[in-house]
Amino acid sequence: QMQLVQSGPEVKKPGTSVKVSCKASGFTFTSSAMQWVRQARGQRLEWIGWIVVGSGNTNYAQKFQERVTITRDMSTSTAHMELSSLRSEDTAVYYCAAVVPAAIGGVFDPWGQGTLVTVSS
Amino acid sequence: QSALTQPASVSGSPGQSITISCTGTSSDVGGYNYVSWYQQHPGKAPKLIIYDVGNRPSGVSNRFSGSKSGNTASLTISGLQAEDEADYYCSSYTSSSTYVFGTGTKVTVL
Repeated sequence: QMQLVQSGPEVKKPGTSVKVSCKASGFTFTSSAMQWVRQARGQRLEWIGWIVVGSGNTNYAQKFQERVTITRDMSTSTAHMELSSLRSEDTAVYYCAAVVPAAIGGVFDPWGQGTLVTVSS
Repeated sequence: QSALTQPASVSGSPGQSITISCTGTSSDVGGYNYVSWYQQHPGKAPKLIIYDVGNRPSGVSNRFSGSKSGNTASLTISGLQAEDEADYYCSSYTSSSTYVFGTGTKVTVL
């Protein structure tokens, strides 16, 4: 079955960077698009950006444009999301989700289990 | 991109029907039939329950239905059950080739 498995929890200091990984299985990774979404405790889902795996094209929410980089490694079927210049407000659970096959307006299914990123001095 | 607007909470008794609204603009909800709905139980990842306004993925109960009129999409849950108690989020594709989520609605089964 289609599955996304994310890397483990992270604790980071303000001003540093974090890189979260998302390994795909059960579907053709190269035909998908990978989305990243975050959710602070008790807050709403917030879309961060996506990468079309086959082309490597990315698009980011304006809020994160300056600080986020989404990449993919087709040899390991893994997508990565790196967020820099971390601040306390970035403390959240970060989810990856797949759009299979990659398509405009495509839906997020499946989702990873989430990775808690804590930013604290 | 501002979040889509949803009511903070909706409640109903078992067996009743409830409807959750999701209001955006002509640049997102009103401009595309790419509205999805996700159900999220506490501590869990979101689960897709409606896509492309009114389509259900395989395995999702037919008690869930979706529709859209203008800039507002709606999710209806009929025959409300205890297991439907969760947070619900709408999502839409936008004219900037991005996505936006709604503010979220907590559904309580009385």
